[in-house]
Amino acid sequence: SQQGEEDPQALSIQEGENATMNCSYKTSINNLQWYRQNSGRGLVHLILIRSNEREKHSGRLRVTLDTSKKSSSLLITASRAADTASYFCATDRTGGGNKLTFGTGTQLKVEL
Amino acid sequence: GAVVSQHPSWVICKSGTSVKIECRSLDFQATTMFWYRQFPKQSLMLMATSNEGSKATYEQGVEKDKFLINHASLTLSTLTVTSAHPEDSSFYICSASGRGFTGELFFGEGSRLTVL
Repeated sequence: SQQGEEDPQALSIQEGENATMNCSYKTSINNLQWYRQNSGRGLVHLILIRSNEREKHSGRLRVTLDTSKKSSSLLITASRAADTASYFCATDRTGGGNKLTFGTGTQLKVEL
Repeated sequence: GAVVSQHPSWVICKSGTSVKIECRSLDFQATTMFWYRQFPKQSLMLMATSNEGSKATYEQGVEKDKFLINHASLTLSTLTVTSAHPEDSSFYICSASGRGFTGELFFGEGSRLTVL
């Protein structure tokens, strides 16, 4: 079953703009991760935020986590056409044995 | 980052035949491997978790006799789709974690199976 719901399902922006994607989940977690998937390819790990962290940065990525609301957001700043991909949040549930449960994903399109 | 290789990247087979997909960790020992299935424009659904040297643990609703998973070594896990049918057509992705990993998974490039 899907742990996470992401919104928007699809997002289209112009190059240089910021892109924000949101993820909500249902159970308590050890950590939450964001992955990127280019069409027809495997997933690439972007960033991991632990349950006791509230914000994390990595290059042009900024992730926030609000465990009280069971939600997270991924911000990509100064987007580029190469950022076009699907983005998934994944949660490592408490007591879940390190299994990740993936959200529904956001399809991001960055246009020139 | 750690490298996971998946093979074949695509395969077409006739209904009723069996297909084997391999997942290899190239530069680390994968103590745990996960197999996912993904339908077009949808999320990944975990099928099973395999630990080296032990039987795989299947998620609810996944037929273990149909999707045979073997994790015989610390660098190789295989998924065999037995007696494949057109509804088994999908994108199958493996991921792996190893000792000392901090939670992130490393994914193979996926295998697209088309059953005619």
